[in-house]
Amino acid sequence: ETGVTQTPRHLVMGMTNKKSLKCEQHLGHNAMYWYKQSAKKPLELMFVYSLEERVENNSVPSRFSPECPNSSHLFLHLHTLQPEDSALYLCASSQVTEDNSPLHFGNGTRLTVT
Amino acid sequence: AQSVTQLGSHVSVSEGALVLLRCNYSSSVPPYLFWYVQYPNQGLQLLLKYTSAATLVKGINGFEAEFKKSETSFHLTKPSAHMSDAAEYFCAVKKATSYGKLTFGQGTILTVHP
Repeated sequence: ETGVTQTPRHLVMGMTNKKSLKCEQHLGHNAMYWYKQSAKKPLELMFVYSLEERVENNSVPSRFSPECPNSSHLFLHLHTLQPEDSALYLCASSQVTEDNSPLHFGNGTRLTVT
Repeated sequence: AQSVTQLGSHVSVSEGALVLLRCNYSSSVPPYLFWYVQYPNQGLQLLLKYTSAATLVKGINGFEAEFKKSETSFHLTKPSAHMSDAAEYFCAVKKATSYGKLTFGQGTILTVHP
């Protein structure tokens, strides 16, 4: 495996379900990110983990709970979601110690909340 | 605060024609600038990045972008469009020392017709 891998690729869940999205990076990076991509809206940064510490939480509702157990893995735990949470959730990684380091994205999880 | 504006949510060109996708940024300090491409059902892939070493930046797939400080622009061009260039393109800006946080434009969908 190379790059950034996200699972599952597609997820359908009811509003009362609990599910988790998984992201794994094989690039040796030390920062990981969750972005939300909704139709007709710019990409929204949700969470940033740098050196395994959460350094940013962009006013994301508590029904989204991130977890970063080590520098290679990132999870997004989902609970009691709303239909408006349906979107493409993108994970990314970068080398935070390099100023011009770009983000490397996974292929995303397409989430549908019914 | 930084922001990115992509002029034109949709651009349509003929195969073999010039591609020009516009991006203007606002930043209080010299930024790092990026262009990403997103194909259907995939994540974002880095096309190129500007890091102050040269104002004309060459990327993958024959794309290039020119940084113009006086115009606060970073437009993306390709001399001759190919059918495989049809995708959505995102311009992004990053302030130095802001770990990996990117601010994205709203995206431009490029259509290439025969």
